[in-house]
Amino acid sequence: EAGVTQFPSHSVIEKGQTVTLRCDPISGHDNLYWYRRVMGKEIKFLLHFVKESKQDESGMPNNRFLAERTGGTYSTLKVQPAELEDSGVYFCASSQEKAKSDTQYFGPGTRLTVL
Amino acid sequence: AQSVTQLGSHVSVSEGALVLLRCNYSSSVPPYLFWYVQYPNQGLQLLLKYTSAATLVKGINGFEAEFKKSETSFHLTKPSAHMSDAAEYFCAVSEFGNEKLTFGTGTRLTIIP
Repeated sequence: EAGVTQFPSHSVIEKGQTVTLRCDPISGHDNLYWYRRVMGKEIKFLLHFVKESKQDESGMPNNRFLAERTGGTYSTLKVQPAELEDSGVYFCASSQEKAKSDTQYFGPGTRLTVL
Repeated sequence: AQSVTQLGSHVSVSEGALVLLRCNYSSSVPPYLFWYVQYPNQGLQLLLKYTSAATLVKGINGFEAEFKKSETSFHLTKPSAHMSDAAEYFCAVSEFGNEKLTFGTGTRLTIIP
């Protein structure tokens, strides 16, 4: 069974540009999460989808970030326009909606560098 | 609000020695607790989780952790370190399970040959 995949693995852009990150969850997983780790700090929650609906977006830093999950399959996270402080590693995770203790399976992350 | 504190951003142990990585949590309700590991150039992998069953939880690769409510701790241990254990370890808490995870800042484990 394929794990969570993320694309691209690395992205280097200039301040003011737009970047779109993609996450493909494990097939059949209804829950999809986005997290971010800024260098040297903790991994922080951004938002949670259940199928195509946003369950919790309390961690989204500002309106420059837009997450979508059309059709309840893959998800995209767009940053427009990017700022220097957006640099970090963006992780995606997925889990099944079977039990509250279900494991979240993480992808390898996308390393975003804003110059 | 829930929070996690990991004492020691870097820990070094000799090969064959005991590994002890500390994690303390804060939660207003009984928590679910997790340890994840990140090897170089890979994603986070679940080592073990506590979900209100047995307080001593055994995970993969010989790791285990004990939930101590009185100490609000969930320390990770392994009796004998291997070189392959070198990685970054993250403790995380979730208050209702299957909800957002709150992570500690991570502990980078180095194994000395």
